[in-house]
Amino acid sequence: ETGVTQTPRHLVMGMTNKKSLKCEQHLGHNAMYWYKQSAKKPLELMFVYSLEERVENNSVPSRFSPECPNSSHLFLHLHTLQPEDSALYLCASSQVPASADEQFFGPGTRLTVL
Amino acid sequence: GQNIDQPTEMTATEGAIVQINCTYQTSGFNGLFWYQQHAGEAPTFLSYNVLDGLEEKGRFSSFLSRSKGYSYLLLKELQMKDSASYLCAVRDSNYQLIWGAGTKLIIKP
Repeated sequence: ETGVTQTPRHLVMGMTNKKSLKCEQHLGHNAMYWYKQSAKKPLELMFVYSLEERVENNSVPSRFSPECPNSSHLFLHLHTLQPEDSALYLCASSQVPASADEQFFGPGTRLTVL
Repeated sequence: GQNIDQPTEMTATEGAIVQINCTYQTSGFNGLFWYQQHAGEAPTFLSYNVLDGLEEKGRFSSFLSRSKGYSYLLLKELQMKDSASYLCAVRDSNYQLIWGAGTKLIIKP
């Protein structure tokens, strides 16, 4: 148990659907992250909320929108996705600033877009 | 651009030693991380290097040479449960993690 939970674990959606991914961390951290993990590719950082500031990756399409209501919860809202968005979406948290600043990951949401 | 290179896949024998290399080219350097990820599971933290040299933690060791842009993860006394992907990541000058694609390690009896 890593202290970071994600729901749902699996999601199948059509291109016209709207869904949300949820992440919760129970570690008292002050930074949270969304990553996309595709097969045989590096983890892609999508969004970061750190010390209540959002750092955005400019290459993320607008069909993905994050929401961070507090330091323990993070959402990723999805709408009009494309089949190439099918991937494992990982949430992580960490404590900043810190020397090591290791990130603790949730188990991920396996997303399939039909 | 920023780049992290590591082998795609490696195979080793149970009880043996394996070294997984990672080379990096990043804008600045503020530490290097190794993570382990079993299939279908979350990545978990293994080690952190910010100064040159070897960090040992049980059966696992990690080495860093900042001048060469190089690190390796050394796994000793391999066990079947060590079959996993090993991810190298570098924290750049903006304190963002740049990730490698991971090395899939296959352990054979």
